[in-house]
Amino acid sequence: EIVLTQSPGTLCLSPGERATLSCRASQSVSNNYLAWYQQKPGQAPRLLIHGASSRATGIPDRFSGSGTGTDFTLTISRLEPEDFAVYYCQQFGGSPPVTFGGGTKVEIK
Amino acid sequence: QVQLQQSGPGLVKPSQTLSLTCAISGDSVSSNSAAWNWIRQSPSRGLEWLGRTYFRSKWYSDYAVSVKSRMTFKPDTSKNQFSLQLNSVTPDDAAVYYCVRVGHNGSLLYWGQGSLVTVSS
Repeated sequence: EIVLTQSPGTLCLSPGERATLSCRASQSVSNNYLAWYQQKPGQAPRLLIHGASSRATGIPDRFSGSGTGTDFTLTISRLEPEDFAVYYCQQFGGSPPVTFGGGTKVEIK
Repeated sequence: QVQLQQSGPGLVKPSQTLSLTCAISGDSVSSNSAAWNWIRQSPSRGLEWLGRTYFRSKWYSDYAVSVKSRMTFKPDTSKNQFSLQLNSVTPDDAAVYYCVRVGHNGSLLYWGQGSLVTVSS
C-alpha cells in the first residue's frame, strides 16, 4: 500500500499569505497520478488538482500543484478567506488503487 | 454535469447490513469509461477507499482488503444507480459514506452528498 504523509498537520496563516502543503508518498506514485482536494465542514471533498499539476475545471489559478515521484506540493499563492479548510492528497494506481493522506488544516492566524 | 444522489438509512444496528444507493444523472452506470467508487470518512480512519465497480464489456468490482469479506457492490442499469451492502457492521463502520465517480488521472471528480451512518442498537 502506498502511504501518503501530509505535512504540516496544521498551518496557521493570514489572508493574503502563501500556503505550501506537502504530501510525501512511501513509494513512487504511478504516472504522477496525485490529486489534491479541499474539504470544508459538512461538505464532500472538492477536487482541486489532478495529475500532480493540472487544475480541475473552475479552480482559481492561485492553486497550483507540483512534484513528481514521491514528493508533491500544493501551493496557494495568496490565501482568500474561503481557502481556510482541510486539504487532502490522494494517489491512484497502487494497491489498493486509491489512498489518501491524513490532511492538512489551513486555519486563520 | 454528473450528479450523484445518495440514499439509505442513517442508523444501522450492530451485526446487521448497511445498504446505501447512489443514483446517477448525467452519466451511465454502464459507461465504458467510468468507475464508480465508495469512500468513507471517519475521525478514526480518515478518508478510506472501500472499492469500485465498473463495466468493461462485463462488470468488475474491486474491494479494499479491510472490508472485502463483508462488502458487495450492485450496479442497477435499469435505474442507473449502484449500491453498497456491508454485512455484519460494527461501531467501527460508523462514518460518512460517499459515492464517487473517477475523473482524469484517477482523481475523484464527482462526489455524492455523503451519508452519515451510525451503528448503534
